[in-house]
Amino acid sequence: DTGVSQDPRHKITKRGQNVTFRCDPISEHNRLYWYRQTLGQGPEFLTYFQNEAQLEKSRLLSDRFSAERPKGSFSTLEIQRTEQGDSAMYLCASSLLSQGHLHFGNGTRLTVT
Amino acid sequence: GESVGLHLPTLSVQEGDNSIINCAYSNSASDYFIWYKQESGKGPQFIIDIRSNMDKRQGQRVTVLLNKTVKHLSLQIAATQPGDSAVYFCADNYGQNFVFGPGTRLSVLP
Repeated sequence: DTGVSQDPRHKITKRGQNVTFRCDPISEHNRLYWYRQTLGQGPEFLTYFQNEAQLEKSRLLSDRFSAERPKGSFSTLEIQRTEQGDSAMYLCASSLLSQGHLHFGNGTRLTVT
Repeated sequence: GESVGLHLPTLSVQEGDNSIINCAYSNSASDYFIWYKQESGKGPQFIIDIRSNMDKRQGQRVTVLLNKTVKHLSLQIAATQPGDSAVYFCADNYGQNFVFGPGTRLSVLP
């Protein structure tokens, strides 16, 4: 068990630029989740995949956000035309069973200037 | 949507004392509850979980209590240590995803 890996750990970008984050879940975990966390708050659900299928998206996920999990393994989260309000920690998590707890990565901290 | 919340944003305890962190949830349909610990700069780390068919579950130095009547969840940490200093979140399942409360920051005083 190598854990959930996220890359990059930190990203600083200028407003209006596009950014892409990568998540490598624990191997054989069929569910992969993206959450967003702002300072002093709990993680907020964005979207999740079961294998390669994106099964649910939060209303928080605007049209500028897109997530993929093309082969049911790693996932990417892209934010287009970033805004200062997008500054947050983006957390990825995976789980093996639908009722199992989530295993989180250490997140990608995005700062939009 | 439903939300999970915590009663206190901060909690300070003396090293060696027991800590109790509380959580109230609102979704009557939730049947799975989890406690996470988050240290600065890291992702949430699983501590313990409990299903709705139980009212108590024990781990190493931690106990989770579930009161479904009043929709209340608590985490008890025995003999609190400096390494327990962190933010603690409760979460419940909402459909196929999980809803997190705002967290309680636990500070362990020497």
